[in-house]
Amino acid sequence: AQSVTQPDIHITVSEGASLELRCNYSYGATPYLFWYVQSPGQGLQLLLKYFSGDTLVQGIKGFEAEFKRSQSSFNLRKPSVHWSDAAEYFCAVGAERTGGFKTIFGAGTRLFVKA
Amino acid sequence: EAGVTQSPTHLIKTRGQQATLRCSPISGHTSVYWYQQALGLGLQFLLWYDEGEERNRGNFPPRFSGRQFPNYSSELNVNALELEDSALYLCASSLATGVRGTEAFFGQGTRLTVV
Repeated sequence: AQSVTQPDIHITVSEGASLELRCNYSYGATPYLFWYVQSPGQGLQLLLKYFSGDTLVQGIKGFEAEFKRSQSSFNLRKPSVHWSDAAEYFCAVGAERTGGFKTIFGAGTRLFVKA
Repeated sequence: EAGVTQSPTHLIKTRGQQATLRCSPISGHTSVYWYQQALGLGLQFLLWYDEGEERNRGNFPPRFSGRQFPNYSSELNVNALELEDSALYLCASSLATGVRGTEAFFGQGTRLTVV
């Protein structure tokens, strides 16, 4: 069955430090992978997506993610975190199924940024 | 271009009542998805409509239902409300189903509180 695991419920990093948010997925074929960010009181905004090709994907706001098939992972990274990055981050896997396309989300990782 | 809009932003109901949530997709989008984001449970897929038909539903009881109108807007109805239905309900829209690279755009959500 298709599933997404984000092992870290919350992470705290210092402003200016690097960040890595973990995401593992389970899916039989090559998945479509997404990272979304949800700021307090806001809807979800797409940060980046992977469908095929280069396994290192660049997104908005200085984020990047790397697809590692051997590890079934799609970890999100940022070299230097800003206070405005404090939010909840969702990893998602999409798949074409009978009748169309469906996206499954991970439980989310809340990022806290300390000064 | 207007994004996905949801109404109302907040809704307070008492247990046993019915709630109706509305979603207007981005112009040109034919698919609408509903997700429930309950505290501690992450994003749970509820329903997916495309071209006026229900294409898929998540593991929710039948009292969660909805429809999609000819203009592609959508309604989510929750009957016989229970306290556990209190959550943020997110609507998303996308261009088409079964298309590689389909990306969902999210609204700001409706916060439903059942008392």
